[in-house]
Amino acid sequence: DTEVTQTPKHLVMGMTNKKSLKCEQHMGHRAMYWYKQKAKKPPELMFVYSYEKLSINESVPSRFSPECPNSSLLNLHLHALQPEDSALYLCASSQDPREYGYTFGSGTRLTVV
Amino acid sequence: GQSLEQPSEVTAVEGAIVQINCTYQTSGFYGLSWYQQHDGGAPTFLSYNALDGLEETGRFSSFLSRSDSYGYLLLQELQMKDSASYFCAVKEEDKIIFGKGTRLHILP
Repeated sequence: DTEVTQTPKHLVMGMTNKKSLKCEQHMGHRAMYWYKQKAKKPPELMFVYSYEKLSINESVPSRFSPECPNSSLLNLHLHALQPEDSALYLCASSQDPREYGYTFGSGTRLTVV
Repeated sequence: GQSLEQPSEVTAVEGAIVQINCTYQTSGFYGLSWYQQHDGGAPTFLSYNALDGLEETGRFSSFLSRSDSYGYLLLQELQMKDSASYFCAVKEEDKIIFGKGTRLHILP
């Protein structure tokens, strides 16, 4: 298995909702990442998990809450989002945080209404 | 902080060669990667340079000059399927930071 799987592929949520994005990999990778990508913009790093511990938070608002239940799973919990948070949320993984080649999932297209 | 500069768009003809340049400024540099992203798709890793010089992978080559803080991606024998966005990305200690991306248009 050489894939990163993200669910759901599309999500529409209201500003008062709570939802979660899920990411899974079975490549034995020990580093996992959340990126946010707006249309025609580059992916922007949000969080880095290294060996299941949060190692980098790029000053992301607290309405985004990451969780790494085990080495294969990464969640992003969403609460009280704003319309400007609408974007493609990409999960990626790598063998370890020093690795330079990331494997990305296809993303969750999030729309906040 | 970091900054990466690359052209926003490049146009080339099918079968030709195209070079996408990238200059960078960063506080901690481990190497330069290149990723391809088709519309609606996920970024896909293409190549990585940690040391000066040219790395070749099939039709794609990547070059790095650490002293000039400069690199490029060279695509040969262009095919229509190469129409995509190409991002240079700086590897820092535990993360990768992406440039703004270059949209490659290929004409038949």
